[in-house]
Amino acid sequence: QSALTQPASVSGSPGQSITISCTGTSSDVGGYNYVSWYQQHPGKAPKLMIYDVSNRPSGVSNRFSGSKSGNTASLTISGLQAEDEADYYCSSYTSSSTLHVVFGGGTKLTVL
Amino acid sequence: QVTLRESGPALVKPTQTLTLTCTFSGFSLSTSGMCVSWIRQPPGKALEWLALIDWDDDKYYSTSLKTRLTISKDTSKNQVVLTMTNMDPVDTATYYCARVLTDSSSVPTYFDYWGQGTLVTVSS
Repeated sequence: QSALTQPASVSGSPGQSITISCTGTSSDVGGYNYVSWYQQHPGKAPKLMIYDVSNRPSGVSNRFSGSKSGNTASLTISGLQAEDEADYYCSSYTSSSTLHVVFGGGTKLTVL
Repeated sequence: QVTLRESGPALVKPTQTLTLTCTFSGFSLSTSGMCVSWIRQPPGKALEWLALIDWDDDKYYSTSLKTRLTISKDTSKNQVVLTMTNMDPVDTATYYCARVLTDSSSVPTYFDYWGQGTLVTVSS
């Protein structure tokens, strides 16, 4: 069982918006602004899409945005495109004694 | 331009020790705030954080695997090495190394560059 909880799957039609949630605890998501999101296409390495909750690296489309409320972080993708179909993972620093960094279980995004 | 590349055996036998090398360029692991981490992903499953080493040679491990993992760095060669002892078929996974930046309190923030990963299969 992953330390951060994500929905297993979400779907949306081209042009629509979707949101993926990432729920943790006050020891990770809720306690630090170090939530990041990664996109992974099949057979490829993860790619950083959002860092420090809501910042986009250079080159990442502004259709991707991040936010956080309490112990839950969210990734929103607006104007869905076929190329957005991928797995998405959240990650956070954790002050838990058993881990230093935690990942979510991943969410499969299907563009209908 | 930052790049990372993992190398190591594609196949190991149960009980053997796995040694993986991450060779990187475009940054120095002697620069304050720089870290390299290892993450793995079993086929069809989620990412799992394994270990991290920082510019000051501080090392952090996933507690569930701590007794089996050792991370080290060779700054002159721009390499980070991960060893995992007593390999088991459940350790079959793609192993990634990634660069991590830390804040002023040495807290890791995010993985900004990743290697392409190397698939390690554990089988007799």
